[in-house]
Amino acid sequence: EAGVTQFPSHSVIEKGQTVTLRCDPISGHDNLYWYRRVMGKEIKFLLHFVKESKQDESGMPNNRFLAERTGGTYSTLKVQPAELEDSGVYFCASSLLGGGSGYTFGSGTRLTVV
Amino acid sequence: GESVGLHLPTLSVQEGDNSIINCAYSNSASDYFIWYKQESGKGPQFIIDIRSNMDKRQGQRVTVLLNKTVKHLSLQIAATQPGDSAVYFCAEKSGGSYIPTFGRGTSLIVHP
Repeated sequence: EAGVTQFPSHSVIEKGQTVTLRCDPISGHDNLYWYRRVMGKEIKFLLHFVKESKQDESGMPNNRFLAERTGGTYSTLKVQPAELEDSGVYFCASSLLGGGSGYTFGSGTRLTVV
Repeated sequence: GESVGLHLPTLSVQEGDNSIINCAYSNSASDYFIWYKQESGKGPQFIIDIRSNMDKRQGQRVTVLLNKTVKHLSLQIAATQPGDSAVYFCAEKSGGSYIPTFGRGTSLIVHP
């Protein structure tokens, strides 16, 4: 079974540019989550999809971040325009049911805004 | 131990020693706790979990201890190996929430 796949693995962009991150969850996992870890800090929740619907987006930092999951399969997270403080590692996870032991994380996208 | 600013708490041990990684949580309503291991270049990986109606749970070479009185969680790794070197995160969840809250992580360095 393929795991959670994230693309790209690394991205370096200039302040003000746009970046789109992609996550392909495990096939059949209705729940998809985006998290972010800023250097040396905790892994912070961004949002949760159930199929194509946003179940909880309370962690999205501001309206420069837009997440979509059209068709309930893969998801994209767009940052536009990017700011320096957006740098960090963005993780995606998917699960069949509730979070916790059922989570499978992707390897993350390391975003550097310069 | 405590850390300041952006520095990640770090635990350095010798191969073969036992390691204890600690985590304090803040939400007294949390009833489910998880430990994750994140190796370099990979995403967090589930290690072991424990529910609040237990105070100890054992896995293969790992034991999680839960002290609800002082809201403290620990992960014990027996006979630590170089492959155990990683960042370890504790996470807590309450009720029917799908969303665990993660701590900032502890870096474990195992010296051969």
